[in-house]
Amino acid sequence: DTAVSQTPKYLVTQMGNDKSIKCEQNLGHDTMYWYKQDSKKFLKIMFSYNNKELIINETVPNRFSPKSPDKAHLNLHINSLELGDSAVYFCASSQAGYRYEQYFGPGTRLTVT
Amino acid sequence: QQQVKQSPQSLIVQKGGISIINCAYENTAFDYFPWYQQFPGKGPALLIAIRPDVSEKKEGRFTISFNKSAKQFSLHIMDSQPGDSATYFCAASGGSYIPTFGRGTSLIVHP
Repeated sequence: DTAVSQTPKYLVTQMGNDKSIKCEQNLGHDTMYWYKQDSKKFLKIMFSYNNKELIINETVPNRFSPKSPDKAHLNLHINSLELGDSAVYFCASSQAGYRYEQYFGPGTRLTVT
Repeated sequence: QQQVKQSPQSLIVQKGGISIINCAYENTAFDYFPWYQQFPGKGPALLIAIRPDVSEKKEGRFTISFNKSAKQFSLHIMDSQPGDSATYFCAASGGSYIPTFGRGTSLIVHP
């Protein structure tokens, strides 16, 4: 059983387009995250979200927005894609009381041409 | 400003050898120090973690050593195997549960 899943696995699109990446977790966790991993493998937190609080990394452009239809899903919407947005995006989740233990999805490789 | 400094950036070890990856942190509010293992094409996976009230934690061939006064911690992989070849990230959390990651170490274990 997949704990944290993401779709699509690969996403190739042109500059200026708007795209979404979906994330679902079946662990019953209450907090979900989005990370960006660049070509040098540096992991950068973008958002942390539970049903009470959204924490946004202030360095993330407002073209990026998380949307959570329910506790098990946290989708990432990206508007006006730029070349520099090309990266691997990871969704993760954790549970209250164990928030330090994060479970990551398999990643979505986004390529902007 | 990088709050968790990880070294080396890459590491090559022979099968059966010991792999050592070091991390140093600055924020004394950190109170949880996990290590993540990432294989190519996969997401990071929690490998082992330690809290600052202990100086060492061992799980199988993986050991974390923690030096609170020096604000340093390290991962030791004993009897390294080719299947251990991956990228390893140290991280630190505290106050905010959002971890700060090191920049990663690419480990290659030669057969």
